[in-house]
Amino acid sequence: EVQLVESGGDLVQPGGSLRLSCAASGFTFSSYWMTWVRQAPGKGLEWVASIKQDESEKYYVASVKGRFTISRDNAKNSLYLQMASLTAEDTAVYFCARETYASGIEFDYWGQGTLVTVSS
Amino acid sequence: DIQMTQSPSSVSASVGDRITITCRASQSVSRWLAWYQQKPGKAPKLLIYAGSSLQSGVPSRFSGSGSGTDFALTISSLQPEDFATYYCQPGESFLSLSFGGGTKVEI
Repeated sequence: EVQLVESGGDLVQPGGSLRLSCAASGFTFSSYWMTWVRQAPGKGLEWVASIKQDESEKYYVASVKGRFTISRDNAKNSLYLQMASLTAEDTAVYFCARETYASGIEFDYWGQGTLVTVSS
Repeated sequence: DIQMTQSPSSVSASVGDRITITCRASQSVSRWLAWYQQKPGKAPKLLIYAGSSLQSGVPSRFSGSGSGTDFALTISSLQPEDFATYYCQPGESFLSLSFGGGTKVEI
């Protein structure tokens, strides 16, 4: 059974940093693109970042470029999101998701999410 | 960036109704469009990919259509478990990844 379990969400002060993790199981992690998507309270979904299987390609939404870094450790079946210079606008539930590897870009498995709150 | 415009933003319906949600892209995404269902407090669930392909395990009352810039998600006969928020997502390139604003289907 495919499982994605996020962790690391917390209350952090503006300007602070945080590292999110996503532990994957039930599939060959190293064969898939992986992605972070976030959802601010009461708002819609926002794609944040994606990473290729071998880390040779990484993509970010404009609002987090230069502040967030996506990475992965295929030996540990884990995905990470290092977040810095956090602002209130980064407050959201952060989901990790697996890209289907089927046709276009779509996400067939998601974690349950981890909440990041940026507030003083 | 590709902008995705979903309509309506919300729809009131009853069990058994047929409803259609539309999604318009600011530029062509060929057939690369996905639809998701999200219930409160839960992760999104993939329903449709490549415009009209049904994800494994998704009931056949869900269908997708369209190509280029105009797409639609139809639920042929609403069931109680279908009351949720639905999002479209263009899937042509990581350089233009986004989600539509969402459509809330409520009683």
